[in-house]
Amino acid sequence: QVQLVQSGAEIKNPGASVKVSCKASGYSFATFYMHWVRRAPGQEFEWLGVINPTGGSRNYAQKFQGRLTMSTDTSTSTVYMALTSLRSDDTAVYYCARGGPSKSMDVWGQGTTVSVSS
Amino acid sequence: QTVLTQEPSLTVSPGGTVTLTCASSSGAVTTVDYPSWFQQKPGQTPRALIYSTTEKHSWTPARFSGSLLGGKAALTLSGVQPEDEAEYYCLLHSGGGWVFGGGTKVNVL
Repeated sequence: QVQLVQSGAEIKNPGASVKVSCKASGYSFATFYMHWVRRAPGQEFEWLGVINPTGGSRNYAQKFQGRLTMSTDTSTSTVYMALTSLRSDDTAVYYCARGGPSKSMDVWGQGTTVSVSS
Repeated sequence: QTVLTQEPSLTVSPGGTVTLTCASSSGAVTTVDYPSWFQQKPGQTPRALIYSTTEKHSWTPARFSGSLLGGKAALTLSGVQPEDEAEYYCLLHSGGGWVFGGGTKVNVL
């Protein structure tokens, strides 16, 4: 079955960087875009960006331009999300979500908690 | 930046029907916004239910349906089951990106 398995929780100091992975299985990896979404405590879901898994194109939310990098490794069907210059308000659960039909997000990873604190 | 507004909470009796809505600060929601809906229960991963306004995923129970209602996206639960108690979120493709609603907590009592 289609599955997205994310890397484990991270604890980071302010100013550090984090890289979260999302390993896909159960479908043709190259066929579906991958989104990254986060939810901070007490906040709404927030879209970070989307990547074409073959690595050709990326679309980042303007808020994260310059701090966010998405990448893929087609040999392992893995997508990565890296966020730099972390601040306390980057503390959130980060999800990868497969780009489904008609601009939907149809399958989600289990989430990775990133905590930023000194 | 578009803001999506959903009812904070709704209560429905088992077997009843409830409609959730999703309003956009940018104006009427239309099919070209590709509204979708997903469900999340405490401690669980979000589960997609509806895409492209009305379409169901292969795993979506028949009692869930999507529509446009008075310029808003809508999700209707018919014949509500106790396991439908959850938070429901709308999602729109807007301004080249994606925007989420704040969620509606559906209580089944």
